[in-house]
Amino acid sequence: EAGVAQSPRYKIIEKRQSVAFWCNPISGHATLYWYQQILGQGPKLLIQFQNNGVVDDSQLPKDRFSAERLKGVDSTLKIQPAKLEDSAVYLCASSFRQGVDTQYFGPGTRLTVL
Amino acid sequence: DQQVKQNSPSLSVQEGRISILNCDYTNSMFDYFLWYKKYPAEGPTFLISISSIKDKNEDGRFTVFLNKSAKHLSLHIVPSQPGDSAVYFCAASGTGAQKLVFGQGTRLTINP
Repeated sequence: EAGVAQSPRYKIIEKRQSVAFWCNPISGHATLYWYQQILGQGPKLLIQFQNNGVVDDSQLPKDRFSAERLKGVDSTLKIQPAKLEDSAVYLCASSFRQGVDTQYFGPGTRLTVL
Repeated sequence: DQQVKQNSPSLSVQEGRISILNCDYTNSMFDYFLWYKKYPAEGPTFLISISSIKDKNEDGRFTVFLNKSAKHLSLHIVPSQPGDSAVYFCAASGTGAQKLVFGQGTRLTINP
């Protein structure tokens, strides 16, 4: 079974530029999550999708971050414009259903904002 | 507000001995707890979980203990092996919110 795929693996941009990350979850997984992991901290949930609907985006900085999951499969997370404090690893995870179902994580995208 | 805390950033243990990783939480609504393991340049992988109706769950070399009154859980690895060297994250969720709240992680190093 293929795992969660993410691209790119690394991205370096300057502040005020925009960037997008892509995630392909495990086939058949209805729930998809985007996390932000700042160095030295644990992952923090940014947004959770159930199929193509948003379940929780309470910690998403909506003035600069946006995410979509068209057709309930792939998802993209965008930052526009980026700030220095956005430097982090962005992790995508998926689970068969929401709730206590095990979340499977992708390898993450390491973003550096200069 | 750090609802899940792992107060030890790092831990070093001799191969073959027991590793004990600790985690404290503050939110009494949490009723499901998990441990994830993370190797460099990889995403976290699920290790073991425990529901609040239990105080112990065991899976091979890994055992998680939950003390609800103290709002404390621990992960025991015995015997520790070099491949166990990784960062371990404690996470918690509540029935209503469902989302996972992670601790800061503990870097475990197993010395040969």
